[in-house]
Amino acid sequence: NAGVTQTPKFQVLKTGQSMTLQCAQDMNHNSMYWYRQDPGMGLRLIYYSASEGTTDKGEVPNGYNVSRLNKREFSLRLESAAPSQTSVYFCASSEASSSGNTIYFGEGSWLTVV
Amino acid sequence: AQSVAQPEDQVNVAEGNPLTVKCTYSVSGNPYLFWYVQYPNRGLQFLLKYITGDNLVKGSYGFEAEFNKSQTSFHLKKPSALVSDSALYFCAVRVYGQNFVFGPGTRLSVLP
Repeated sequence: NAGVTQTPKFQVLKTGQSMTLQCAQDMNHNSMYWYRQDPGMGLRLIYYSASEGTTDKGEVPNGYNVSRLNKREFSLRLESAAPSQTSVYFCASSEASSSGNTIYFGEGSWLTVV
Repeated sequence: AQSVAQPEDQVNVAEGNPLTVKCTYSVSGNPYLFWYVQYPNRGLQFLLKYITGDNLVKGSYGFEAEFNKSQTSFHLKKPSALVSDSALYFCAVRVYGQNFVFGPGTRLSVLP
């Protein structure tokens, strides 16, 4: 079972460069999420997609955009990377966004902006 | 607004001893409560959850957690710690119609 797959695993960007983090899930889940993890701050929600065709801002959306390409795929784009976006990014999915459904995470993408 | 607190940044326990990782929460409404574990350079892995029913929830790898509504707590426990349990543990809460809120994490070190 692949679960949630995200790429790339590691990336170094220069300030101002753009990049897209890709995410795909094979669990037929309706909801998908992008989080960032910073030391001592837990996980903070960047954007989420409750269902195919919808996206919504989370706690820290500034500097990011997302695309729910289809039910399986949910990408995160940094248009003009800044050092403050150095973080570990996690994609996740769940069957639904408003219930006791478990959320499942990918293995993470380590992004450094210099 | 929902919030989750994990009052200890670090918990140290000797192998074979019982372990407890604490979690308290604040929500409006009935909470769904979760515990996740993160090993170095890996994603978060689901351990267990409380939705409704029995306050004592059993999960993966011998972990369990007790939901205490009056104390708004959901502490993670294991009767006998293993060195391989050393990891970062996250508590999370959700209420109907809202997104997950994660605590800051507690680093568990099990000493041989």
